[in-house]
Amino acid sequence: DQQVKQNSPSLSVQEGRISILNCDYTNSMFDYFLWYKKYPAEGPTFLISISSIKDKNEDGRFTVFLNKSAKHLSLHIVPSQPGDSAVYFCAATNFGNEKLTFGTGTRLTIIP
Amino acid sequence: DTEVTQTPKHLVMGMTNKKSLKCEQHMGHRAMYWYKQKAKKPPELMFVYSYEKLSINESVPSRFSPECPNSSLLNLHLHALQPEDSALYLCASSHSQGPWGTEAFFGQGTRLTVV
Repeated sequence: DQQVKQNSPSLSVQEGRISILNCDYTNSMFDYFLWYKKYPAEGPTFLISISSIKDKNEDGRFTVFLNKSAKHLSLHIVPSQPGDSAVYFCAATNFGNEKLTFGTGTRLTIIP
Repeated sequence: DTEVTQTPKHLVMGMTNKKSLKCEQHMGHRAMYWYKQKAKKPPELMFVYSYEKLSINESVPSRFSPECPNSSLLNLHLHALQPEDSALYLCASSHSQGPWGTEAFFGQGTRLTVV
């Protein structure tokens, strides 16, 4: 049972435009969400997180939006840069739980 | 120092071998994790150590044996593995329990091939 889903396995975006990566979850107990970026042959790198008490968190070019009623979150990257090409995983957890549940990943390709 | 260091980076082992994966962090994190990642799949949690005690074992077969000698080190002992255990093994650490600070930092992983 995949509790965290990223329905787009891949996404291509022109350099300078906005990249929007989506993530859906089914477990209503999740209350903290994270985005990780992964290059080939490397471990995931933490990007940005959001708790369920917020609906938006921004850090530089990265903004995460959370819609609790829809159990949906999205990561916006603007402007997109070639170095953003990677696989992006969303992850979810709940307070008091050390376990992160990862989504299936979206491969983002930025076209110069 | 914001690194999680894993050794070795690559490991090829036979099904009768015994080997160990090592992980080290010096960020003062008190939670450490082992994840397994197969190609084109998300990382899957195997074990969590919190304050040097095993707090989560995700029903991992006993041929994988974790050990946390101290708060900075985490080992994964491997014995009698199967070819299907070939994967990228990722170590991670985070500040504490709970979501407020569980931004886990990952190592580069050990690419394990069982022959």
